[in-house]
Amino acid sequence: EIVLTQSPATLSLSPGERATLSCRASQRVDGYLAWFQQKPGQAPRLLIYDASNRASGVPARFSGFESGTDFTLTISSLEPEDFAVYYCQQRSSWPLTFGGGTTVEI
Amino acid sequence: ELQLVESGGGLVQPGGSLRLSCVGSGFTFSSYGMNWVRQAPGKAPEWISHISNSGSTIYYADSVRGRFTISRDNAKNSLYLQMNSLTSEDTAIYYCARVEFVYWGQGTLVTVSS
Repeated sequence: EIVLTQSPATLSLSPGERATLSCRASQRVDGYLAWFQQKPGQAPRLLIYDASNRASGVPARFSGFESGTDFTLTISSLEPEDFAVYYCQQRSSWPLTFGGGTTVEI
Repeated sequence: ELQLVESGGGLVQPGGSLRLSCVGSGFTFSSYGMNWVRQAPGKAPEWISHISNSGSTIYYADSVRGRFTISRDNAKNSLYLQMNSLTSEDTAIYYCARVEFVYWGQGTLVTVSS
């Protein structure tokens, strides 16, 4: 099973600041990594798939980057609606796995 | 409008069973693989099962293999999860999600408690 380790657990920032979230895989996932945003009471929302591709309707301030087994989600300038929990997920091999999450809070 | 709607959740005693359903609309259900994902309170999502569009390929997480059974009825645009031998560890919101994880249902809450 591929383990995904997200850091930091919590990111305390202000609107307009840049957020950098990390996800490290325990083995290669060949780029098959996705990022999700989740707000209270809602299902996760796909933001990024295959490491760096934005899903339909996702603002350009969200970007993903891959370097080996290290993945980064960057929010270039935080909007009030971006304060949420973010999860990474690998789809390289079964079982699919999620990271433990990063909370982006004000 | 594309929709996934789960049902069947509720309160069940430890050792009991429950069958969840997920009905898809607004897309050709039979063309897409489907997943079940659950999320315990305050925890990260946990993928638990996948079924291919035809039903011929199925995968399970270790945590549910042998207790849960995924199935589908393409004629009814429906996905199912039969859950047996439930424990408190299975308490969670259960979501169905299309294969690419763009589309999710609203979730149905399963509570296992005496």
